[in-house]
Amino acid sequence: NAGVTQTPKFQVLKTGQSMTLQCAQDMNHNSMYWYRQDPGMGLRLIYYSASEGTTDKGEVPNGYNVSRLNKREFSLRLESAAPSQTSVYFCASSEVIADTQYFGPGTRLTVL
Amino acid sequence: QKEVEQNSGPLSVPEGAIASLNCTYSDRGSQSFFWYRQYSGKSPELIMSIYSNGDKEDGRFTAQLNKASQYVSLLIRDSQPSDSATYLCAVKDSGAGSYQLTFGKGTKLSVIP
Repeated sequence: NAGVTQTPKFQVLKTGQSMTLQCAQDMNHNSMYWYRQDPGMGLRLIYYSASEGTTDKGEVPNGYNVSRLNKREFSLRLESAAPSQTSVYFCASSEVIADTQYFGPGTRLTVL
Repeated sequence: QKEVEQNSGPLSVPEGAIASLNCTYSDRGSQSFFWYRQYSGKSPELIMSIYSNGDKEDGRFTAQLNKASQYVSLLIRDSQPSDSATYLCAVKDSGAGSYQLTFGKGTKLSVIP
């Protein structure tokens, strides 16, 4: 039982490049989330998926898109990376929307 | 904008002492509260959840909730150097269809051997 897994662990991009962050959970949870964590800003919600087939914007969605591929997988895409997107990205999942959330190990992204 | 406030610290306590971490929140209707621990360079991990007024104990950890005063606290008894981490308070937003946990910025705890 791996919990929540994320790939890649580290990534360096140039401004304007695109990439997709992958997340998968094996806990049969219904809800999944993408957060970013910046020094002094705390955890901020980018997008969430309350259940398979649905996605919604969180607090800071600009510059991102998401796909809930199936119940297990929830990906985050940066279409044209900007230096302001340099951050640590965490995926999380919960059995019920906005209840106890379990986090993946994170992706450390640097945009030059 | 709903707010969750925590003292950023660092909070330094000697080994074996009680560490007290506090959190206040602005959403009077909130019903669900969570404490997470985050080691440097790692992801947040759940310590405890609390939903009712009063105390909830789990090993060396006790969460305390006072909805009337809009605060939630975490006590760590017999603090160990391994407890040194940043502690995040999270509050579920109230209201129909609420989907979001609002996180505080965290309190950094340092347990001195």
